[in-house]
Amino acid sequence: EAQVTQNPRYLITVTGKKLTVTCSQNMNHEYMSWYRQDPGLGLRQIYYSMNVEVTDKGDVPEGYKVSRKEKRNFPLILESPSPNQTSLYFCASSSRLATNPRLETQYFGPGTRLLVL
Amino acid sequence: AQKITQTQPGMFVQEKEAVTLDCTYDTSDQSYGLFWYKQPSSGEMIFLIYQGSYDEQNATEGRYSLNFQKARKSANLVISASQLGDSAMYFCAMRESVPGSARQLTFGSGTQLTVLP
Repeated sequence: EAQVTQNPRYLITVTGKKLTVTCSQNMNHEYMSWYRQDPGLGLRQIYYSMNVEVTDKGDVPEGYKVSRKEKRNFPLILESPSPNQTSLYFCASSSRLATNPRLETQYFGPGTRLLVL
Repeated sequence: AQKITQTQPGMFVQEKEAVTLDCTYDTSDQSYGLFWYKQPSSGEMIFLIYQGSYDEQNATEGRYSLNFQKARKSANLVISASQLGDSAMYFCAMRESVPGSARQLTFGSGTQLTVLP
């Protein structure tokens, strides 16, 4: 089954304690992204990756790091979490631009609810 | 200026009736894609429908159709014959073609749809 998985699904942590949210996709997609969702703001892109070892900042990258050592994995790292990073996080993947633009559809993981105390 | 505007924070519709969720967008690109996603209370993001900027016909997927008015820069989602299971948050999103970049989706703030029995 084609899917994007995220772990953990729920996490409560304290300010300053480093954490990693994993993301993995089995569709051989080149593009992967991280978003955060906050009430009234929709989803905002944190970081994205065009392919292995190629990452770039999205709209709200401050306080986050990512890595793309393998095509299927794109972990999100919070080195020193703060309460303003309490949010719902989504990982997404999509294929490269193709003759059929529907292939650009992003597939989302189930989300990770993070609470930073 | 916001890229994607959803002016209806909340909408109510009677079961079996049709409902239109508004979305306007702002871009200077000639080639872009418009997406609608559904987010039920469980949190996952579900892809509904896609419209390419060069598509001459409005996209349809089952009970979902997209009323695409390019000159007005609007991409409204129409849900026909509403069902109780359609109650969810709905997000409009746009992907722009930026040369040399992998910019992903820009999301609106969402519309919470409630279907009444």
